This record gives sequence, structure tokens and C-alpha cells, in this order.
Amino acid sequence: DTGVSQNPRHKITKRGQNVTFRCDPISEHNRLYWYRQTLGQGPEFLTYFQNEAQLEKSRLLSDRFSAERPKGSFSTLEIQRTEQGDSAMYLCASSLTSGPSTDTQYFGPGTRLTVL
Amino acid sequence: KQEVTQIPAALSVPEGENLVLNCSFTDSAIYNLQWFRQDPGKGLTSLLLIQSSQREQTSGRLNASLDKSSGRSTLYIAASQPGDSATYLCAVRRIAAGTALIFGKGTTLSVSS
Repeated sequence: DTGVSQNPRHKITKRGQNVTFRCDPISEHNRLYWYRQTLGQGPEFLTYFQNEAQLEKSRLLSDRFSAERPKGSFSTLEIQRTEQGDSAMYLCASSLTSGPSTDTQYFGPGTRLTVL
Repeated sequence: KQEVTQIPAALSVPEGENLVLNCSFTDSAIYNLQWFRQDPGKGLTSLLLIQSSQREQTSGRLNASLDKSSGRSTLYIAASQPGDSATYLCAVRRIAAGTALIFGKGTTLSVSS
């Protein structure tokens, strides 16, 4: 168990470009979450999956954002036509729905996006 | 709407001091509350999770308490060390509102040697 991993760790892009981030959760964790964090703020929820089903989306997740978890394992978050306001740290977390660690969300190191 | 507030925003203490970080939330209908640590530019590390039916949880030098009726939680750090320097975030999961965590802005702790 190597924890939650995210790639890339840093991404610099120009406004208008599309970007995609990947998250690999802890093995056997059936829930996967995406959050966004800007400087000086706590993380804000974007969306979550239980297995491959996307069960909840925040109103922060505009039409330019899409997330997938096709086989219930890794997940991708795509941002289309990036804007400078998308610059933030994108955090992924995973959790179990049963067992002693139920509900504890374990976070990855994040992907820092800079939109120029 | 659930709001989470953490006071103070920043705290500086000398090594060895015991300290308390505060977290308050506006809606007492929570499922659980979780404390995290975040080092600069890094992800979050879970410290303690308190279920709504519990009053406190302990892990090593850390003790977290929960008073749902007053909408408060505290994180007590005993015998602080320079390695404790980080931002501490508290987050609540609401009842019947999915599993999303609502975070405070955090308290940035600096422990000097």
C-alpha cells in the first residue's frame, strides 16, 4: 500500500488549453474524491465516485470539468478551455465504506495547476 | 449551509508548550469530524477522525474532542515540537449530504526550537 498517488505533480498551461490529471487511490478503496484548494483556503469538494459511479458533483464543477473512474480504480479529472481562475492545487482522496478505517479520507500529494 | 471556522488563523509557540487549536461548525447535524495536517505545498495527512457519537479520540501526543451540541471541536497537542509546524485543518461530513468534507481554512502552527 503506497498511498494515494497523483500525476502530474505540477502542470503549467496556457489559457484555453485542456489538461488532464490522474489519481490512483489506495488499493481496494471504493470511494474516490476530488477537491480543489487555492492559496490560504481549505480544500473544496468537487466530486466523488463510489466504484465507477459518480454519485455527487459540486456546483463548483462547471461544464468545463469532467471526471471519470472507468473501472472503479484510477480516476481522471479533465479541465477543458482552462482559465486563470482554474489555477489551484487539485487533490484526490480515497476511502473505504467498511472496516476499521471507514470514512477516513486519505489524500494524495496533489497536482498544482498554473494557468498562464 | 454548513460553515467551518478555525481560530486562530496562525499560532507561534516555543518548543515544549502544550497548545489547543479550535474548530467550530454552524450545523450540528454532522456524521463525523476529521483533523488533518498539511505541510507547505503538500497533500493532507489524516490525524484523527471522530464519529458523531464519540466525544474524543487520541493518537500519541494528539487529542481531539467533539461537542456537537455547541458545534465545536478542539485539537490538543502536547509537548509541541518543531516538527509539528504545519497547517492544521478541520473538516466535517454532514448527515444525509453525501460524503463530501467541508473544510475550515486551517490554523498555521509554527513551533520554534
